[in-house]
Amino acid sequence: AQRVTQPEKLLSVFKGAPVELKCNYSYSGSPELFWYVQYSRQRLQLLLRHISRESIKGFTADLNKGETSFHLKKPFAQEEDSAMYYCALSPGGYQKVTFGIGTKLQVIP
Amino acid sequence: NAGVMQNPRHLVRRRGQEARLRCSPMKGHSHVYWYRQLPEEGLKFMVYLQKENIIDESGMPKERFSAEFPKEGPSILRIQQVVRGDSAAYFCASSPPTSTYEQYFGPGTRLTVT
Repeated sequence: AQRVTQPEKLLSVFKGAPVELKCNYSYSGSPELFWYVQYSRQRLQLLLRHISRESIKGFTADLNKGETSFHLKKPFAQEEDSAMYYCALSPGGYQKVTFGIGTKLQVIP
Repeated sequence: NAGVMQNPRHLVRRRGQEARLRCSPMKGHSHVYWYRQLPEEGLKFMVYLQKENIIDESGMPKERFSAEFPKEGPSILRIQQVVRGDSAAYFCASSPPTSTYEQYFGPGTRLTVT
């Protein structure tokens, strides 16, 4: 069975401070990992996926298979980063995507 | 492309009534997912459908809940005999057939049971 764990329900950081949103997963195969974001009063949307190895809005995430982690990082937090962040896992194919419970990021001005 | 549409956006039902939530996927998307979000909690998967086919309903409560995605028309999530505990935001997402991980979410339907 696949599982995604986001240990922090709420993460508060000051503007300009580094951000790390933690995500750990359990899955026996080679899954695809993603981060989704939901800004206030907006729809949930895909932020980034590990395969593309891209940086979106200054955020990056590295898949660590040894530690089964996919932490989301940004060196300098901005107020507009305040949102709900969900880590998600897909086994691939037509199987369902599993979401973590989400972490609310609060950037304090 | 208008994006994923959900209606109604807000739905109030009395205990015992039926609730019908609709989801129109993005054009060209043949896969639909329903999620429930309880207050102060994250997204919980409910059901995954393709046209006329339920792929995975492992997250659906055994009773009172059903979902369909007919050949024509929107996907429907149906809750019979609603109870207060059904009050939540229900989100629908759709994906293209070639990349089921890339889900596009609707704005959600907020169900309130009084």
